[in-house]
Amino acid sequence: GENVEQHPSTLSVQEGDSAVIKCTYSDSASNYFPWYKQELGKGPQLIIDIRSNVGEKKDQRIAVTLNKTAKHFSLHITETQPEDSAVYFCAASIRGNNNDMRFGAGTRLTVKP
Amino acid sequence: DSGVTQTPKHLITATGQRVTLRCSPRSGDLSVYWYQQSLDQGLQFLIQYYNGEERAKGNILERFSAQQFPDLHSELNLSSLELGDSALYFCASGRGQNTGELFFGEGSRLTVL
Repeated sequence: GENVEQHPSTLSVQEGDSAVIKCTYSDSASNYFPWYKQELGKGPQLIIDIRSNVGEKKDQRIAVTLNKTAKHFSLHITETQPEDSAVYFCAASIRGNNNDMRFGAGTRLTVKP
Repeated sequence: DSGVTQTPKHLITATGQRVTLRCSPRSGDLSVYWYQQSLDQGLQFLIQYYNGEERAKGNILERFSAQQFPDLHSELNLSSLELGDSALYFCASGRGQNTGELFFGEGSRLTVL
C-alpha cells in the first residue's frame, strides 16, 4: 500500500521567513495530495491540495509543488506569521479516495515572533 | 468550527474496559470516517461509513467496532482496552461516498491507565 514520509518532524522559523515541508510517497498511482493544518486542540483542516495533472498550486502565502517523477511534493509557506504555528500533515491518495488516503507523520511548525 | 461534533473530548479509563466515542457529522454529509492519532504519528484510517453502511475498513483492530445510525451519527466502540489504545480519535465527515473534502471534528482524547 501507499507509504507517505514527511520531513522535518519539527521546524522553527522566525516570523517573516519561509517554511518548507517535504513529503515523499511510494505508490505511483497516487494522484491527489492534500495538506492539512492542525492547530492545538483542533482537528486537521484542509489548507491546500494538488492533483497530479499540475505541478504547482498557490493560494496567497501557501503553495504546493509536486514532482511526479521523483514522487515527492512540498508545502511552502512564505512570510510566516505566528498564527501559522501548528502541525501540518501531508497526505496522498489514489483518485482522491478518502479511505485510501495515507497521512504523513506531521511537522510541528513554530513561528517565533 | 468544522461542523463535526465529537464527544467526549477527554476520557480516562482502565485497561480491560470498554468505551464508546460519538460523532455527529456536518449537516448533509453522508460519510463518516474514523481515525486514530497516536503520539507523533499521522492519522491512521480505521473505518468508513456511508449512509448507514460500512464502506471501507483500514487498520481497525477486532476489539474495535463502529456503526452509523439512521440519523447519520456514528459511534466507535473500543473494548478490552490496552495501554496502547491511548490516542486521539478523530471523526471526519464528507458529502460524497468517498471523495471530496474531509471535515474533522476536534477529536476525543482517550487515556487508558
